[in-house]
Amino acid sequence: GQQVMQIPQYQHVQEGEDFTTYCNSSTTLSNIQWYKQRPGGHPVFLIQLVKSGEVKKQKRLTFQFGEAKKNSSLHITATQTTDVGTYFCAGFDAGNNRKLIWGLGTSLAVNP
Amino acid sequence: SQTIHQWPATLVQPVGSPLSLECTVEGTSNPNLYWYRQAAGRGLQLLFYSVGIGQISSEVPQNLSASRPQDRQFILSSKKLLLSDSGFYLCAWSTESYNEQFFGPGTRLTVL
Repeated sequence: GQQVMQIPQYQHVQEGEDFTTYCNSSTTLSNIQWYKQRPGGHPVFLIQLVKSGEVKKQKRLTFQFGEAKKNSSLHITATQTTDVGTYFCAGFDAGNNRKLIWGLGTSLAVNP
Repeated sequence: SQTIHQWPATLVQPVGSPLSLECTVEGTSNPNLYWYRQAAGRGLQLLFYSVGIGQISSEVPQNLSASRPQDRQFILSSKKLLLSDSGFYLCAWSTESYNEQFFGPGTRLTVL
């Protein structure tokens, strides 16, 4: 079945270091979404990428969608303690737009 | 603006007891509605989704059921809870299947 793999599962960084999480799909995606879940909270939508090779930025966060629309990445520059949480990618299979396929998330811990 | 409500926030239930979790959305009409379960430290598992009143799609076989008696109301039920039903239950809505999802605050269920 369709799968979205996300790596790494966990990441510890010192405040100020950069962080990247990667998302890889077994099938072509029509779009990909990124969410952040703070500890104890619920997932919050960050961004959606639709176009092949698309790059979007939100302050220190940079999101990329691969040329083949099978992979994506989230890069955080100069992490802060407020970046702590779990980052999920989720994509729509190009052949089945009814259902979002979720990655298992990358949990980020930031040491002050 | 749109808001999504879930209750209760926490719930402790004995094995074999029934369950009813309610989710309501305000400020939008004919939303797509979703029930997810998240085990501790894990990813999101889609349980049910609905594109309209009375239309429920089940993603995994289990002892849970869902109903949508009104346009903006989504209910998750069980006749007899199992220990494995413990988890964080999240309701979400979207305007279209391929659009971003907005999550409610969630219900933490512990089955003892």
